[in-house]
Amino acid sequence: GAGVSQTPSNKVTEKGKYVELRCDPISGHTALYWYRQSLGQGPEFLIYFQGTGAADDSGLPNDRFFAVRPEGSVSTLKIQRTERGDSAVYLCASSLKSGLAGGRIYNEQFFGPGTRLTVL
Amino acid sequence: AQTVTQSQPEMSVQEAETVTLSCTYDTSESDYYLFWYKQPPSRQMILVIRQEAYKQQNATENRFSVNFQKAAKSFSLKISDSQLGDAAMYFCVLIQRGAQKLVFGQGTRLTINP
Repeated sequence: GAGVSQTPSNKVTEKGKYVELRCDPISGHTALYWYRQSLGQGPEFLIYFQGTGAADDSGLPNDRFFAVRPEGSVSTLKIQRTERGDSAVYLCASSLKSGLAGGRIYNEQFFGPGTRLTVL
Repeated sequence: AQTVTQSQPEMSVQEAETVTLSCTYDTSESDYYLFWYKQPPSRQMILVIRQEAYKQQNATENRFSVNFQKAAKSFSLKISDSQLGDAAMYFCVLIQRGAQKLVFGQGTRLTINP
């Protein structure tokens, strides 16, 4: 089956502009994650959705960043008033619903190829 | 807070040789998972191997094996019979049981010399 897809693959924008990055998870995966990978670094968690709701948005750096998942499938990461420091690869991942509390089920997060955002 | 540290920014190995990538981590939890992920130039993050903290036996997946030292909070990856296709960034990753957030190390860039 198809994996996680992300569009666009690359996005170049000017400082101050608004951008939207899209993620299509694997069909049937109810959990969706966004990570940000700055140059030469490991990915850092931004936000996690279980279904339509953001269950954990503790990684969003500030209020310029916002993400939605209105129908529990596709998600859009929105960045307002972009800054040069926002330049990074934005990775999306999806997984089956996490295991029950107390259980030992770990549902693997499958990653997309990312969107490389460049803010000039 | 959990942290993952990879102290080797770059490693290189001759094709068919063995290489070991190092990782240390810190967590106050006793139950967690550790992973090694591979990221080739395509940027696609691929799970290589996983280890559950409550299991003492080291995980093995074909040419990939780990040395998990829970007391020392160390988790190294050994790649045997290195192949050109193994060239990539390798990330050591931690997640607490029940949590959703993967915590990544800084990565080690592995080069395979033919």
